[in-house]
Amino acid sequence: QSALTQPASVSGSPGQSITVSCTGTSSDVGSYNYVSWYQQHPGKAPKLMIYAVSRRPSGVSNRFSGSKSGNTASLTISGLQAEDEADYFCTSFTGSSNPYVFGTGTKVTVL
Amino acid sequence: EVQLMESGGGLVQPGGSLRLSCVVSGFTFSGYWMHWVRQGPEKGLVWVSRINVDGRTATYADSVKGRFTISRDNAKNTLYLQLNSLTAEDTAVYYCARDGSNWDFDYWGQGTLVTVSS
Repeated sequence: QSALTQPASVSGSPGQSITVSCTGTSSDVGSYNYVSWYQQHPGKAPKLMIYAVSRRPSGVSNRFSGSKSGNTASLTISGLQAEDEADYFCTSFTGSSNPYVFGTGTKVTVL
Repeated sequence: EVQLMESGGGLVQPGGSLRLSCVVSGFTFSGYWMHWVRQGPEKGLVWVSRINVDGRTATYADSVKGRFTISRDNAKNTLYLQLNSLTAEDTAVYYCARDGSNWDFDYWGQGTLVTVSS
């Protein structure tokens, strides 16, 4: 199972919106609505930001939203803030003997 | 407050073994599936293993099957990962994570570093 493909880096100015893509295949992202997104600050534990493609856990800012089209899922951060600067990973259910596949990770930089 | 705290990492020689622990608090441990996920140096996250609520059902990534064993002690609120026959490829930060019920991981620990080197 190959890792899901994410851009290595995405940047934006404060207040702008950015989108991070997560491209898989018809065997994972394309077949299941079980894509989740995680934020990881350096040296810290990952934090769940989006689950089931577009659902937000309690306590996560509504500036974070998720969507999916075909084999590609997306995380959008609107009203970008300095605290959003972090690494972001996606993951998808695969339905195979290795049930989870993660993305390659994206470093979000706030200019 | 949900908390997960890993321990047991360290430097081990190729072919060696380690046992990782993850002590949890702030939720009913016996009611949740649990996972181990690892992150190699300059690499992304990779799922390693999961275990059901009573510890009787475990699943492993192909890369660790037959070498790693996940277990849990619900009385001690502790998750374990036994790592055997370690190679340099197993060098990573190992995280324990709680199952979020939508094929996601809703809480994570801070991780423990395992370095396999001679």
